[in-house]
Amino acid sequence: QKEVEQNSGPLSVPEGAIASLNCTYSDRVSQSFFWYRQYSGKSPELIMSIYSNGDKEDGRFTAQLNKASQYVSLLIRDSQPSDSATYLCAVIYGKLTFGQGTILTVHP
Amino acid sequence: SAVISQKPSRDICQRGTSLTIQCQVDSQVTMMFWYRQQPGQSLTLIATANQGSEATYESGFVIDKFPISRPNLTFSTLTVSNMSPEDSSIYLCSVAGGDRGSYEQYFGPGTRLTVT
Repeated sequence: QKEVEQNSGPLSVPEGAIASLNCTYSDRVSQSFFWYRQYSGKSPELIMSIYSNGDKEDGRFTAQLNKASQYVSLLIRDSQPSDSATYLCAVIYGKLTFGQGTILTVHP
Repeated sequence: SAVISQKPSRDICQRGTSLTIQCQVDSQVTMMFWYRQQPGQSLTLIATANQGSEATYESGFVIDKFPISRPNLTFSTLTVSNMSPEDSSIYLCSVAGGDRGSYEQYFGPGTRLTVT
């Protein structure tokens, strides 16, 4: 069974800090990786996609991919209370496969 | 990204009845999917809705219980048939392969279903 594993969390960080969310995947042939943010009671929102080894930055968000070690991470710089949400890592194994999600709380 | 709408946004239904959920996209997309998300859980793929042919169901989901239609490239329906309380969940449609032609999936707002 192809799996996507995330830190169980919850993760709590102070406002202004860097939040680091990690994800590992089981199938080395995967080529497409995504991070979704889901606020309570809302549907998932795609915030980052990454396909190549290395870093991809978009505003305060940086996705990091290491295919040799089979992990993908999401860094949120200058965390804000509005970043408090569940973050879902997803990998394409033929179909989009989600991790269980990490709950992030940013406290003032 | 595409604008996706779902109807109804929520419903309360009696066991044994059926509910049809609609998903409408404002532009043509290649792929449409239906997911279920139970409280506190991650997303589970029910099926891929194929335009002009039968849907492709994931293990544990069958056509008799979850019939799906996709008459064109912007619209799909999911029916939850002969409902039981275990079907209470959020049902989400997602789309991919729009004008960007990518694998990125975008989700509709969801339908919250409660079966009593």
